[in-house]
Amino acid sequence: GENVEQHPSTLSVQEGDSAVIKCTYSDSASNYFPWYKQELGKGPQLIIDIRSNVGEKKDQRIAVTLNKTAKHFSLHITETQPEDSAVYFCAALYQKVTFGTGTKLQVIP
Amino acid sequence: GAVVSQHPSRVICKSGTSVKIECRSLDFQATTMFWYRQFPKQSLMLMATSNEGSKATYEQGVEKDKFLINHASLTLSTLTVTSAHPEDSSFYICSASGWETYEQYFGPGTRLTVT
Repeated sequence: GENVEQHPSTLSVQEGDSAVIKCTYSDSASNYFPWYKQELGKGPQLIIDIRSNVGEKKDQRIAVTLNKTAKHFSLHITETQPEDSAVYFCAALYQKVTFGTGTKLQVIP
Repeated sequence: GAVVSQHPSRVICKSGTSVKIECRSLDFQATTMFWYRQFPKQSLMLMATSNEGSKATYEQGVEKDKFLINHASLTLSTLTVTSAHPEDSSFYICSASGWETYEQYFGPGTRLTVT
């Protein structure tokens, strides 16, 4: 089955700096890669996604890149704000969604 | 955006009793609903996938007789934890996806505590 690895497990950045979270996946058949933000005690919220026929997607301060050859994809958050602090999960989909292990992002004011 | 609700948000029950959790898609038709379990500081673990009108497909290691799933309509799925025990205490989250779409939209989760 699919295996998704996510790094780092924790990340602290100063407000205004950029944050990058990286994931790798094992199944080359995976074709959809969403990213979720989960705040404490809440369900995950879809923040951006990318499909396998696209290499990069951007939505305001958030961007995702995908390298199908290397089977890795990354989340980039620019101009971080304290409200970006949360746990972020990457995921890969082929028939079903497999989640990464999560990254706890702390943005220090 | 798509909205998924869950009820209740928190529930405390005694060991041996059963608990039902509802998951509703409020503004779209959910052809497929998913149930996840999440332990503290861990990732989401898929328990089962249900398609409207069909029996749920359970992941390996998940007891179908203990975690009863019903997806009777395009907007409602229920998870019933039968004969709950303290080890069933967890955060249960549902998600839903619509016609021919990959996107999953998650509910706010239900915190189950079994005493």
